[in-house]
Amino acid sequence: DAGVIQSPRHEVTEMGQEVTLRCKPISGHDYLFWYRQTMMRGLELLIYFNNNVPIDDSGMPEDRFSAKMPNASFSTLKIQPSEPRDSAVYFCASSLASQGDRETQYFGPGTRLLVL
Amino acid sequence: SQQGEEDPQALSIQEGENATMNCSYKTSINNLQWYRQNSGRGLVHLILIRSNEREKHSGRLRVTLDTSKKSSSLLITASRAADTASYFCATDNYGQNFVFGPGTRLSVLP
Repeated sequence: DAGVIQSPRHEVTEMGQEVTLRCKPISGHDYLFWYRQTMMRGLELLIYFNNNVPIDDSGMPEDRFSAKMPNASFSTLKIQPSEPRDSAVYFCASSLASQGDRETQYFGPGTRLLVL
Repeated sequence: SQQGEEDPQALSIQEGENATMNCSYKTSINNLQWYRQNSGRGLVHLILIRSNEREKHSGRLRVTLDTSKKSSSLLITASRAADTASYFCATDNYGQNFVFGPGTRLSVLP
């Protein structure tokens, strides 16, 4: 298995532009997570899906952020409009639940976003 | 809200020594996990310990869990330069949330 795939790996954009981050989870996994990592705030859970349905989006910072999972093999995180404070590394992770837990999460390589 | 807090924030040791990192959390959990992150990379799962377990081993790793103290420790024995990374604990609160701590930066000097 190729693992969790994220694209792009690096994104540089200007303030006000729309940014779309993409994630392909590991085949068969039923949970998908989006995280943001910064030096100041560490690793923050933004949103997670179970069987393509958003379960908890309380970590989404504001309405400028939105996430979708149209099918089991694809998810997007969109920022519109982007701001310099959105600069961070965004990780996608997936897991296969058992016994009601979300068990081990497998992380993608991340997308480094820089908003100028 | 529940949060894992690692201690110390940074640790520097010589190759061959043991490294111990601690994690404390605030509310009841069903499992606690440790992850490693090498610079510029994604996190890699190391070990999961359930709330009804007290100790778990995986290779050179030993994890303990004390639910009465709401704390866990990660011991890396006979450390190697390749163990240099940040280590995070993550707590799973019965499906309600999943929270990572701020991490411990481990440096293993050759």
